[in-house]
Amino acid sequence: GIQVEQSPPDLILQEGANSTLRCNFSDSVNNLQWFHQNPWGQLINLFYIPSGTKQNGRLSATTVATERYSLLYISSSQTTDSGVYFCAVGGYKLSFGAGTTVTVRA
Amino acid sequence: EPEVTQTPSHQVTQMGQEVILRCVPISNHLYFYWYRQILGQKVEFLVSFYNNEISEKSEIFDDQFSVERPDGSNFTLKIRSTKLEDSAMYFCASLTTEKANYGYTFGSGTRLTVV
Repeated sequence: GIQVEQSPPDLILQEGANSTLRCNFSDSVNNLQWFHQNPWGQLINLFYIPSGTKQNGRLSATTVATERYSLLYISSSQTTDSGVYFCAVGGYKLSFGAGTTVTVRA
Repeated sequence: EPEVTQTPSHQVTQMGQEVILRCVPISNHLYFYWYRQILGQKVEFLVSFYNNEISEKSEIFDDQFSVERPDGSNFTLKIRSTKLEDSAMYFCASLTTEKANYGYTFGSGTRLTVV
């Protein structure tokens, strides 16, 4: 199956800081999504981004499909950004990475 | 925005009991899925369902598990005889391949605790 590696595994930020999360994957894919898992365990869909760049408020994402990686940018981080961020890739089945645990301190 | 609805949000069951987890996918989606996440671990694929049959299943999805779409709207996951290691968050998801909206929508999950 497709291998998905996320880095870093843990990230501690001061409120207001910017950060970049990375997702590397081992094969070409039709689907790449970024999710935020909140403290209640819900998976919140952030971006569907198999290629290109998208922005939504303070979050943006870029996928370079030919080089098999995607980046998630968090700007001006807030405490509510804390949680686990997952990258998931595939086609008619998703493979998830192990996630990046982000802690934003006030 | 359309949602995938899962019930119950939390279920506690005794080892050896049967449980049924319920999901209402988005109505015009054609592909349906169950994933699970053991506490502190990554989200794992269990099974996919298309055209009223299983299209793919993982090694985890053994004879203790079954899925059904009994009435054209609900999508259920049954675990026949629960084990302690079945304790996890179970997510239902549905997928559309319409170009404008391609992507998976996940439900809020059912946290299953086997005691």
